[in-house]
Amino acid sequence: DQQVKQNSPSLSVQEGRISILNCDYTNSMFDYFLWYKKYPAEGPTFLISISSIKDKNEDGRFTVFLNKSAKHLSLHIVPSQPGDSAVYFCAAKTGANNLFFGTGTRLTVIP
Amino acid sequence: EAGVAQSPRYKIIEKRQSVAFWCNPISGHATLYWYQQILGQGPKLLIQFQNNGVVDDSQLPKDRFSAERLKGVDSTLKIQPAKLEDSAVYLCASSLRRSEVEAFFGQGTRLTVV
Repeated sequence: DQQVKQNSPSLSVQEGRISILNCDYTNSMFDYFLWYKKYPAEGPTFLISISSIKDKNEDGRFTVFLNKSAKHLSLHIVPSQPGDSAVYFCAAKTGANNLFFGTGTRLTVIP
Repeated sequence: EAGVAQSPRYKIIEKRQSVAFWCNPISGHATLYWYQQILGQGPKLLIQFQNNGVVDDSQLPKDRFSAERLKGVDSTLKIQPAKLEDSAVYLCASSLRRSEVEAFFGQGTRLTVV
């Protein structure tokens, strides 16, 4: 039972353009949503989060948008840089502090 | 600040053998997690500790997996006996407290069962 879904396994974007990574979820009880970035042979690193009571959170080049009615969130990276090339995981947290992860989207930023 | 340390980085064992993984969380972090990440999937929580007590082990296959966190610091995860389907990366993560949104992950241990 996959409660967090990332339907795009990969995405390629030109350097300087916007990258948009999407995530859908099914459990309306999630209270926080997070994005993690993972480089090969490393553990995931936290990128940005958003509370379920907000619809937008911005941190530098990274912005996360939450649409609760659609149970959908997205991560925008602008401008995209080659160093952003990695696998991005969407995750959702319950009140019990358990993280449910999506399957990841591999972003490739082309110089 | 030192990150979450895990060892070994890689392990290859034959099915039915046993294996153990070790994790040292960030100093002062009360909450520790073990995740299993199978190739092509996202990490899946196996067990969550708060200090040296188990908070959630509902996804841990208890017939073969066990974990402990003695003294509320280091933790070990053991598999005995291993099956082919246990091949995965085992990730340890820690957070300052249960209510903390962000968890910090180690590099993981890649287990291959042949």
